[in-house]
Amino acid sequence: EVQLLESGGGLVQPGGSLRLSCAASQFTFGSYAMTWVRQAPGKGLEWVSSISSHGSPYYADSVKGRFAISRDNSKNTLYLQMSSLRAEDTAVYYCAKERATSRSLSQFDYWGQGTLVTVSS
Amino acid sequence: QSALTQPASVSGSPGQSITISCSGTSSDVGAYNYVSWYQQHPGNAPKLMIYDVTNRPSGVSSRFSGSKSGNTASLTVSGLQTEDEADYYCSSYTGSDTVVFGGGTKLTVL
Repeated sequence: EVQLLESGGGLVQPGGSLRLSCAASQFTFGSYAMTWVRQAPGKGLEWVSSISSHGSPYYADSVKGRFAISRDNSKNTLYLQMSSLRAEDTAVYYCAKERATSRSLSQFDYWGQGTLVTVSS
Repeated sequence: QSALTQPASVSGSPGQSITISCSGTSSDVGAYNYVSWYQQHPGNAPKLMIYDVTNRPSGVSSRFSGSKSGNTASLTVSGLQTEDEADYYCSSYTGSDTVVFGGGTKLTVL
């Protein structure tokens, strides 16, 4: 069974930085695009960033220039480097796997359980 | 990147059918057959229910079906069951290499 395990969340002050990780297993990680989606407390889902299997990054306007997505296929791990954090970045961050190897940015068939990021002084 | 528009809530009785709409624009829902639907129970991660407008992943009940007309996609749940009570989100590829989600719909099974 595909497993995605996020880590790295926590409490950070406004303007601070944090790096999230997503450890993947039970599938050929390097063949699939991967995505970060966040959910603010009591709110809906918001797409944050995706990275293709070849390493091309894509970002929501709300995080462009502040967040950086990357992947290490040798470690089966997805990352999200977050900087210049704001209160509105407070959310549970989920990593998700693209359903098909030929696709990006369209259909997320496995999700981790999420990691909570709280931006507050 | 404006969110897709979904009704805040829908409800139905066990055995009935309900439909949740997802309204977008000619740049997202209307332009591509890349609409997905996700189910989320409280405290859990989302689950993919429909992809590419009409397709069901393996293991998803045939009671769930998707469709699209113009700039609006729809999710229909037939034969409502109590376990269907959850939040539902649509999403679409936008063509500018981004993804947009709907605001979510709370389904209540009365």
